[in-house]
Amino acid sequence: GAGVSQSPSNKVTEKGKDVELRCDPISGHTALYWYRQSLGQGLEFLIYFQGNSAPDKSGLPSDRFSAERTGGSVSTLTIQRTQQEDSAVYLCASSFKSQPSYEQYFGPGTRLTVT
Amino acid sequence: QQPVQSPQAVILREGEDAVINCSSSKALYSVHWYRQKHGEAPVFLMILLKGGEQKGHDKISASFNEKKQQSSLYLTASQLSYSGTYFCGTITQGGSEKLVFGKGTKLTVNP
Repeated sequence: GAGVSQSPSNKVTEKGKDVELRCDPISGHTALYWYRQSLGQGLEFLIYFQGNSAPDKSGLPSDRFSAERTGGSVSTLTIQRTQQEDSAVYLCASSFKSQPSYEQYFGPGTRLTVT
Repeated sequence: QQPVQSPQAVILREGEDAVINCSSSKALYSVHWYRQKHGEAPVFLMILLKGGEQKGHDKISASFNEKKQQSSLYLTASQLSYSGTYFCGTITQGGSEKLVFGKGTKLTVNP
């Protein structure tokens, strides 16, 4: 079956512009996560959605970052007034149920470059 | 809350063994191991739940010491395909169910 998909695969934007990154999780997966990975660095947790529960936004680095998940499926991560330090690969992952015993399936990521 | 991985990097010759450690200062419910090859998304290896279990998959196995809040990933008779960055992720007891990853261990296997 289809895996997690993300779009766009690459995004170059000017400092100060807003960007939207999209994630399509695996059908039937109720949990969805966003991570950020800077060059050569680890996986930084951003936000976690589980079903109809309020999302865990504790990893969002500033109020310029927001995310929503519509209809319990597709998710959009929005970064407003982008800064150069926002440049990174943004990874989305989904799992069948919430943690702790279900594996996450990662999408290929969106590489964001802020010039 | 981020788990600590060690070592940061390992260089092996094909056929050698390696151990990657992951530790937390908080009580853990589960430990997850993933491998990421350069330019690719992380891929799931295994999950260990509290109870001190050990799992194996081919020549890659892992243990979870609940008392010490530590997990170790064992790679035996390493193959070239084992090269990549290994991440452990942890879920702490009593808190949010979010998975927090360590900074990773870069493993290089040379011929």
